[in-house]
Amino acid sequence: DQQVKQNSPSLSVQEGRISILNCDYTNSMFDYFLWYKKYPAEGPTFLISISSIKDKNEDGRFTVFLNKSAKHLSLHIVPSQPGDSAVYFCAASDNTGGFKTIFGAGTRLFVKA
Amino acid sequence: DAGVIQSPRHEVTEMGQEVTLRCKPISGHNSLFWYRQTMMRGLELLIYFNNNVPIDDSGMPEDRFSAKMPNASFSTLKIQPSEPRDSAVYFCASSGTGEGQPQHFGDGTRLSIL
Repeated sequence: DQQVKQNSPSLSVQEGRISILNCDYTNSMFDYFLWYKKYPAEGPTFLISISSIKDKNEDGRFTVFLNKSAKHLSLHIVPSQPGDSAVYFCAASDNTGGFKTIFGAGTRLFVKA
Repeated sequence: DAGVIQSPRHEVTEMGQEVTLRCKPISGHNSLFWYRQTMMRGLELLIYFNNNVPIDDSGMPEDRFSAKMPNASFSTLKIQPSEPRDSAVYFCASSGTGEGQPQHFGDGTRLSIL
């Protein structure tokens, strides 16, 4: 069973426009949500996170929104840049039983110049 | 600061052989994770350790897979015997203690079983 779902395998956006990556989850016990970015031949790197007690967290061009009632979160990148082209993983953790983190399958973002 | 170090970066071996993947976590991190990335399943958690103790190995696909963490600075993931369907990229990650601590990943080992 997939507890964290990223239903869009890929997304293409023009440079300078907004990129919106979506993620849905099923486990209401998740209390932290994270986004990671991955370039080819490298490991994922942490991008931004949000606690379940918040509904928005912003860091420069990156903003994560959390809608707990819908069990949905999204990552907004604005403005998008060609260097943002990568695979983005949504992840969720439930710290009640340790620090297990569940990852989604990833969304490949293409930012066209 | 050195990040998470994985070796080897690439491994090509024949079916039936034993494969050992190695990981050195970031110093001071007390949680260590092994993941496998495939096209079909994305990034799936195999096992994770906290303070060198395995906490959850429910993601380990079969008894052919085993993982150890003999000390805070070293972990291995072993596959014996290996099969072609084990071909994937295997990542190791480590993190500090506390809620929401992000994981730091190594660059992975690309494993090909012929």
